[in-house]
Amino acid sequence: EPEVTQTPSHQVTQMGQEVILRCVPISNHLYFYWYRQILGQKVEFLVSFYNNEISEKSEIFDDQFSVERPDGSNFTLKIRSTKLEDSAMYFCASGKLSFGGGELFFGEGSRLTVL
Amino acid sequence: GENVEQHPSTLSVQEGDSAVIKCTYSDSASNYFPWYKQELGKRPQLIIDIRSNVGEKKDQRIAVTLNKTAKHFSLHITETQPEDSAVYFCAASWGSGGGADGLTFGKGTHLIIQP
Repeated sequence: EPEVTQTPSHQVTQMGQEVILRCVPISNHLYFYWYRQILGQKVEFLVSFYNNEISEKSEIFDDQFSVERPDGSNFTLKIRSTKLEDSAMYFCASGKLSFGGGELFFGEGSRLTVL
Repeated sequence: GENVEQHPSTLSVQEGDSAVIKCTYSDSASNYFPWYKQELGKRPQLIIDIRSNVGEKKDQRIAVTLNKTAKHFSLHITETQPEDSAVYFCAASWGSGGGADGLTFGKGTHLIIQP
């Protein structure tokens, strides 16, 4: 069964550094998402991406964040100048159809620890 | 934006009994309501979803009901088993509808099945 894959599974970085989290969505999916989950808290929407552009973004997704689909398979989340409060599990997700049409599939997550 | 409230935060039931988790949402334009199960350290996985043109949906021991007028939806698990122990998140869709809509999640319910 196809899966959304994410790398790295865990990244430790120093405050102020830049990190890039990578995702390979399911190949025939058209909609891509990043969510984050601070330990013990709910899953929070960051951004959605469709047709090579951001479709929706939350208040969390400020200028510190950016997303890119550099080729036909990867979908990346870049976090510039990381802060302690950026420590969280970041989930990538993809879907074949927009909501109302189909399931959203999550990757295993990338745990980011900012020291 | 969308606001999703979920109750209770923790629910402990005896094995074999039923469990009910309730959510309310604020945006009357929301039209897709999934429920996710998340085991410790794992990704959220869709267990059931419902769209706004349906009032109830059932899949074996799991059912979801939706009351659009009252803007609330509920998850019902019957004949609970130890493997049902997990955190359950409800979610509601939002967005412009023209591309990749977002999901707003509830804060989660930690379901504990007592043997």
